Amino acid sequence: DARVTQTPRHKVTEMGQEVTMRCQPILGHNTVFWYRQTMMQGLELLAYFRNRAPLDDSGMPKDRFSAEMPDATLATLKIQPSEPRDSAVYFCASGPGLAGKGDTQYFGPGTRLTVL
Amino acid sequence: AQSVTQLGSHVSVSEGALVLLRCNYSSSVPPYLFWYVQYPNQGLQLLLKYTTGATLVKGINGFEAEFKKSETSFHLTKPSAHMSDAAEYFCAVSPNTGFQKLVFGTGTRLLVSP
Repeated sequence: DARVTQTPRHKVTEMGQEVTMRCQPILGHNTVFWYRQTMMQGLELLAYFRNRAPLDDSGMPKDRFSAEMPDATLATLKIQPSEPRDSAVYFCASGPGLAGKGDTQYFGPGTRLTVL
Repeated sequence: AQSVTQLGSHVSVSEGALVLLRCNYSSSVPPYLFWYVQYPNQGLQLLLKYTTGATLVKGINGFEAEFKKSETSFHLTKPSAHMSDAAEYFCAVSPNTGFQKLVFGTGTRLLVSP
């Protein structure tokens, strides 16, 4: 049963510290998405990649957030420095990249980040 | 630009009652439409999607949705609610050309009482 995996599942850190979240997409999927979910803002798209290239990161605060795909099996989302307002659940999703055919996104279990 | 409106942040039903979750979309081009479900402390999971063809779409767990172009709607229904259906439900839209990101609604929390 292929699944998107995310690590860590929970992270508590202090303001100013660097946070790195990792995602392993489903093998063979060529699109990867990062979302942030909060009570106030709901589900927000931060960035997405196709074939490891960033297609859109307009939803991401550029001064402190960065997203990369070092290889096809790993996507990372970094926050440096972290702030209390970054506290949220961060989801990674992957998809087979069926352009024009209603690509389904498969979500990971999320990383719950708390910044004190 | 595309957008999705989900009417009602919370919907409460009794076990065995009809479930109706509303979704209206705005799109300048023919859309693809999706319903996702999120159980507590989990990621989103696809319930069903409309791309082309039959406008009544059946999904997992007994849910179905009907694409009504004239009403720009894609409401989600289930004839008889189960306690296990309690979750948050998200409607989403994307254009039907090229590769585009999904635009999600704000979600509707379904509460099921015994």
